[in-house]
Amino acid sequence: DTAVSQTPKYLVTQMGNDKSIKCEQNLGHDTMYWYKQDSKKFLKIMFSYNNKELIINETVPNRFSPKSPDKAHLNLHINSLELGDSAVYFCASSQNNPYEQYFGPGTRLTVT
Amino acid sequence: SQQGEEDPQALSIQEGENATMNCSYKTSINNLQWYRQNSGRGLVHLILIRSNEREKHSGRLRVTLDTSKKSSSLLITASRAADTASYFCATQRTDKLIFGTGTRLQVFP
Repeated sequence: DTAVSQTPKYLVTQMGNDKSIKCEQNLGHDTMYWYKQDSKKFLKIMFSYNNKELIINETVPNRFSPKSPDKAHLNLHINSLELGDSAVYFCASSQNNPYEQYFGPGTRLTVT
Repeated sequence: SQQGEEDPQALSIQEGENATMNCSYKTSINNLQWYRQNSGRGLVHLILIRSNEREKHSGRLRVTLDTSKKSSSLLITASRAADTASYFCATQRTDKLIFGTGTRLQVFP
């Protein structure tokens, strides 16, 4: 009964590849987020969707494209992966933006 | 730009002692939240304090907020080994949370 789930948990890939990370929440929340946590544990918001509509789009390369097929799902597609994309990516959701957020377990992306 | 900075960066204490972590921020906020992150896991929400509140309690947690100094503190009383984790403050001003740098707390049994 995981509230916010992400797949995969680990992703190792080579530079130049395209990959996707999936996120699902079963909390009935309206808002979902993607965060990137770097090696120094600094957590920065990338995107936010409210009811499938993009509401936050931080300064993120165009290679990153979020997609929300419905309000329970927010996927992250990354094109032409670079070494600097290596990080842990967290999905989160909240009922009322941006109060108490519920985080997924994270996806550790390693680009070689 | 990064909103919150936490102090200390790392803290080591014995079980039973109290742990205090501080967070400073730069602009006005609507609320401030504290989260815990265990190693290799996602963040877990601990407590939210609104800008018009000065103190809030939840179990062994006590949070204070001083908007004039743009600072907050998180006190964990009677710490346990299970409290070992990183703790982050996060401020909300518009429609997003901005996280601080985090404090790594180690509680030795």
